[in-house]
Amino acid sequence: DAGVTQSPTHLIKTRGQQVTLRCSPKSGHDTVSWYQQALGQGPQFIFQYYEEEERQRGNFPDRFSGHQFPNYSSELNVNALLLGDSALYLCASSRKFVGLSGANVLTFGAGSRLTVL
Amino acid sequence: GNSVTQMEGPVTLSEEAFLTINCTYTATGYPSLFWYVQYPGEGLQLLLKATKADDKGSNKGFEATYRKETTSFHLEKGSVQVSDSAVYFCALTPYNFNKFYFGSGTKLNVKP
Repeated sequence: DAGVTQSPTHLIKTRGQQVTLRCSPKSGHDTVSWYQQALGQGPQFIFQYYEEEERQRGNFPDRFSGHQFPNYSSELNVNALLLGDSALYLCASSRKFVGLSGANVLTFGAGSRLTVL
Repeated sequence: GNSVTQMEGPVTLSEEAFLTINCTYTATGYPSLFWYVQYPGEGLQLLLKATKADDKGSNKGFEATYRKETTSFHLEKGSVQVSDSAVYFCALTPYNFNKFYFGSGTKLNVKP
């Protein structure tokens, strides 16, 4: 059973360019969340997609946008790249509804490391 | 608001030593609490979780108890191994919200 897969694993861009990162969720999961992890820091929530709509958003500018497809896979797009966007971008999948006794658990991919020069 | 504070690392221990990594939180409502581990070059893996006060999560010899009175969720292991060297993240999610708040991580180095 494949877990969460992300592509590409590494990429280098220059300031002002645009980037698209891709994510396939774990089988059976319907919700995809994106996190940004700067070097030496914990992951920061960017947004979450469920039923092809953005459901929640963290404190990130509109340059960050996303999409979820009918097969639950997702893309993260970042426009007008800044040096500060250099980070590991993590995709995490989960089930939307886990019942009263459960706690939602995120399953993470290995990430896409973006370097902006 | 919601936030997680972890002890700063790195933490360096000898093999078979006792491990404690402190984690405290602030949250609205009654969150679920988690420990995730990140090995070099990899994403985060769930280590253990607790969904309500006084619950104890455990996995692979690691334990953490949800303490509502002290708003803490400290990670412990009785005897660490070299293979436990990694970065450990404490996290919370408000019930049913799916959005996770992570601490800044604590790097653990275990020497043979």
